[in-house]
Amino acid sequence: EDQVTQSPEALRLQEGESSSLNCSYTVSGLRGLFWYRQDPGKGPEFLFTLYSAGEEKEKERLKATLTKKESFLHITAPKPEDSATYLCAVQGVNDYKLSFGAGTTVTVRA
Amino acid sequence: NAGVTQTPKFRVLKTGQSMTLLCAQDMNHEYMYWYRQDPGMGLRLIHYSVGEGTTAKGEVPDGYNVSRLKKQNFLLGLESAAPSQTSVYFCASKARGQGTFQPQHFGDGTRLSIL
Repeated sequence: EDQVTQSPEALRLQEGESSSLNCSYTVSGLRGLFWYRQDPGKGPEFLFTLYSAGEEKEKERLKATLTKKESFLHITAPKPEDSATYLCAVQGVNDYKLSFGAGTTVTVRA
Repeated sequence: NAGVTQTPKFRVLKTGQSMTLLCAQDMNHEYMYWYRQDPGMGLRLIHYSVGEGTTAKGEVPDGYNVSRLKKQNFLLGLESAAPSQTSVYFCASKARGQGTFQPQHFGDGTRLSIL
C-alpha cells in the first residue's frame, strides 16, 4: 500500500525566512509525485509534478525537488500570501489513483 | 472558467437522512473522483470513475454510492447518513494522459455535518 508522510505538520515563518517542507513516501513504482496548495475553505490547487529522482521544478518562491524516498518543497523568502496548507501526493502503478499526505500548514507572518 | 463545481457548498443532515452531492466538470475529463478530508488526515478516496457509466471503489467506500450517467457529472449519495460521515467532501477530475500523468483538478468542497 502506498504511503505518504509529510513533516512538519505546521510551520510558522517570519516573512523572508526561507524553509523546507518534507514529503516521505513508499510506493510501488513511482509514476509521479504531485504538490498541491490548499487555502482555507478551498479545494487543493495543483502546483507541480515530479517524475524522477533528481528532478526539480520552480514556481515563484517555491521549488520542489525529488529523491528516491522523499520530496522537498523549498519556500524562499516567503510572503504572507504563501500561507496555506501544502499537500503531497504520489501516483504508483495504478494510473487512476493518488495517495495523499496529511499536509503541512504554513503560516507566514509579516 | 468554471472547472469543477460542487453543489451544495454546505449541508446539515440528521442521522438516517439521505442526500446526493453533485459534481460537474466542464473540462471534458475522463476520470472523476470523490474524496473526503478530515482533520489531521490526508484526502481519502471514496469512489472514482474512469469513464461514463463506470465506477469503482476507493479506500473508504462504505456508506456511499456513486453514479456517472453523464461524462461531465459524478454524483455521490449517502443512503443513511451517520455522524462518522461528517466531513468535507471534494470532487476532482483528471484528463487521460498522453504519455504523461495529468494532475487532478479539484472543486471547492461540500461541508457536510451529520447531527
